[in-house]
Amino acid sequence: EPEVTQTPSHQVTQMGQEVILRCVPISNHLYFYWYRQILGQKVEFLVSFYNNEISEKSEIFDDQFSVERPDGSNFTLKIRSTKLEDSAMYFCASKSSTGDEKLFFGSGTQLSVL
Amino acid sequence: RKEVEQDPGPFNVPEGATVAFNCTYSNSASQSFFWYRQDCRKEPKLLMSVYSSGNEDGRFTAQLNRASQYISLLIRDSKLSDSATYLCVVPERGLDTDKLIFGTGTRLQVFP
Repeated sequence: EPEVTQTPSHQVTQMGQEVILRCVPISNHLYFYWYRQILGQKVEFLVSFYNNEISEKSEIFDDQFSVERPDGSNFTLKIRSTKLEDSAMYFCASKSSTGDEKLFFGSGTQLSVL
Repeated sequence: RKEVEQDPGPFNVPEGATVAFNCTYSNSASQSFFWYRQDCRKEPKLLMSVYSSGNEDGRFTAQLNRASQYISLLIRDSKLSDSATYLCVVPERGLDTDKLIFGTGTRLQVFP
């Protein structure tokens, strides 16, 4: 089965530092997402991205967050100035078309902000 | 606020047992429903989709009660490998899976 690939698997950073989480969605997919899961809590939607722009973002996705698809294969999430409460598992996901129900999730990046 | 509620468990059951989880959702306009499985510190993986009254796939049966706004997942003949957290997931808007609302999950532990 095709896979969504995320790197790194673990990222440790100091509060206030910038981090970039990387994702390679499945090659023919057109819709891309970031979700996050704080330890012990539910998976939460952050942002959806289609046709090189954000389709929707949640309240969590404030000005400190940005997404980019710089080269047609990578899909990145940048946190400009990390806070302690940004510590979470960040999942990238993709799907092929608007009628497709199935999201494929990557294995996640565990971000720890110290 | 559109929410998805689940009993967090854990449900501890012996191998071979039948176990059922319930999930309630608040958005009466929801048209599609999903059960995902999540192993510890791994990504969610789609287990089943439910669009009408129910769906069955081997040992797994999902049922939908629109009037009461709940979905259930039944697992028959539990295996050790079924131990995981089961997430009830509802799209925020009808059939559109662009924004999914996840429940907190129900943890299942199957013991020998």
